[in-house]
Amino acid sequence: GQQLNQSPQSMFIQEGEDVSMNCTSSSIFNTWLWYKQDPGEGPVLLIALYKAGELTSNGRLTAQFGITRKDSFLNISASIPSDVGIYFCAGQPSGGYQKVTFGTGTKLQVIP
Amino acid sequence: DAGVIQSPRHEVTEMGQEVTLRCKPISGHNSLFWYRQTMMRGLELLIYFNNNVPIDDSGMPEDRFSAKMPNASFSTLKIQPSEPRDSAVYFCASSWLAGNTDTQYFGPGTRLTVL
Repeated sequence: GQQLNQSPQSMFIQEGEDVSMNCTSSSIFNTWLWYKQDPGEGPVLLIALYKAGELTSNGRLTAQFGITRKDSFLNISASIPSDVGIYFCAGQPSGGYQKVTFGTGTKLQVIP
Repeated sequence: DAGVIQSPRHEVTEMGQEVTLRCKPISGHNSLFWYRQTMMRGLELLIYFNNNVPIDDSGMPEDRFSAKMPNASFSTLKIQPSEPRDSAVYFCASSWLAGNTDTQYFGPGTRLTVL
């Protein structure tokens, strides 16, 4: 089946630093999604990407849909303490209902 | 509008007992999903409903697990009998499936502990 490799698995950064994380797939996706999960809560959608090459921002967050359709990137600029959490990428292979495959997550810790 | 509502938030039970988890999707959404999250396996899709009909239950672990959606505003996931390896956080998510987009909104989850 499809696999999503997300890296890094975890990271510690200083407040104010920029963060980059990425996700690669063994097969092509039609949609890429980025979620954030706070402790004790469900994942919350941050950004959705629907077209290869698409670059989308949501405040300090920017995500890109890779040209090959097999990867996606998430950048967080000027990190703040509330950015702490687990970030998941997720992909869907094509339109209509297709099972969403989630990455393994990147745990982000921000040091004030 | 309220988000996805799940109950209970926490459930502790003994092996062999029946467990029922409940979900109220976002009003107007036509798709509902049940996921299980564990440290070892991450987020796994258990079952997907569209317009109250189960479409994909390939992720349901075994016959001990069953899910129903009697109407557009309510779904249950039942485990009978429960086993310690069922301990996990169970999430319900809903979405409006239209064309090529299917953005899922997650509930807060039910943390299940089976002793």
